[in-house]
Amino acid sequence: QKEVEQNSGPLSVPEGAIASLNCTYSDRGSQSFFWYRQYSGKSPELIMSIYSNGDKEDGRFTAQLNKASQYVSLLIRDSQPSDSATYLCAVNTGFQKLVFGTGTRLLVSP
Amino acid sequence: DGGITQSPKYLFRKEGQNVTLSCEQNLNHDAMYWYRQDPGQGLRLIYYSQIVNDFQKGDIAEGYSVSREKKESFPLTVTSAQKNPTAFYLCASSTKDRFTGELFFGEGSRLTVL
Repeated sequence: QKEVEQNSGPLSVPEGAIASLNCTYSDRGSQSFFWYRQYSGKSPELIMSIYSNGDKEDGRFTAQLNKASQYVSLLIRDSQPSDSATYLCAVNTGFQKLVFGTGTRLLVSP
Repeated sequence: DGGITQSPKYLFRKEGQNVTLSCEQNLNHDAMYWYRQDPGQGLRLIYYSQIVNDFQKGDIAEGYSVSREKKESFPLTVTSAQKNPTAFYLCASSTKDRFTGELFFGEGSRLTVL
């Protein structure tokens, strides 16, 4: 079992819709969780971090964490073509060591 | 502006040659990392360093070496022992905090072995 699992996609949504990206992790002791966005050929950039169960909202982005079920999700409301990218889930499994999922490719069509 | 600078952006290497990728940060971060990214795969950790003059192997350290002589600098050498070095290499830094640690990435270095 991979430590951090994501559906590779592509996830296709029309402009204006809600995109829902999911991630599961195996280490129950994980404490912090991150979503990175990576445009093709570019480096990842952090868009959301979440540390406790529940929802965390930042603009059009909402991160959701459920430690009991070991999953974290990212919702993107009012999706825009500029949101088309690969979204990487990352889990901090210990002192300063992040484990990344393989990413979900999101395509937002005009 | 604060950030992480990687150089070169593109590098071509002949088989059997060692190459060194530069990574410099002015964010005053204690921890620095090197990741490798291959198509269709997530980022895999090569080496990381939490303080000057100390570093630890990540998941795929074989064929690579690093040094951390200054807080700002964490160069990565890809040696001839690395069997499949063609990849996108990413340097990152973060604050030294146990339960947080957002990574700030450089723009990456794309290495191609001819």
